[in-house]
Amino acid sequence: AQKVTQAQTEISVVEKEDVTLDCVYETRDTTYYLFWYKQPPSGELVFLIRRNSFDEQNEISGRYSWNFQKSTSSFNFTITASQVVDSAVYFCALSAPHQAGTALIFGKGTTLSVSS
Amino acid sequence: KAGVTQTPRYLIKTRGQQVTLSCSPISGHRSVSWYQQTPGQGLQFLFEYFSETQRNKGNFPGRFSGRQFSNSRSEMNVSTLELGDSALYLCASSRDRSSYEQYFGPGTRLTVT
Repeated sequence: AQKVTQAQTEISVVEKEDVTLDCVYETRDTTYYLFWYKQPPSGELVFLIRRNSFDEQNEISGRYSWNFQKSTSSFNFTITASQVVDSAVYFCALSAPHQAGTALIFGKGTTLSVSS
Repeated sequence: KAGVTQTPRYLIKTRGQQVTLSCSPISGHRSVSWYQQTPGQGLQFLFEYFSETQRNKGNFPGRFSGRQFSNSRSEMNVSTLELGDSALYLCASSRDRSSYEQYFGPGTRLTVT
């Protein structure tokens, strides 16, 4: 079975702090895809990143960075120098094609609150 | 490039009624998936349509159904509404079934009273 666990339900930080959102996944597929989405109060899920299971390179995009470690089945997301606009719910998701087709399996989400 | 659009954005229905929600994917995208988001269950996959055919289905009762038209637009229908069907229904589109990048619309918030 596929599963995504985001153990942190809520995180509160002050602007300019760095924050890491944890994501642990389970799948028996050897080919799978991992995603992060952001859901601001407006409700729309905003795509942030996709990684496939064969690419363990870390990625940095501006203030965002992602650390993918197959050995620990983790795909963590770090926001550097957080800003108030980063306040949202962040979801980690898994796509395991052989077992679940194109369906995304989401974690429960982490609510990030950044105060000024 | 216009994003995924969903109509209506808000809907209030009474228990026992049925409802139809609409989704227009990003131009050129041929795969449409639907998800239900509730506070208790989180985000759950409903079904996926590609080339007017349902390709994948989540663990939902038969009251939930959908279809896709030749222009890739999709509708989902929920019959005999129950209070527990109150949720945000999100539609996502992707270019095809191998891109694995799904772009979401703003959702339709359904309230069942």
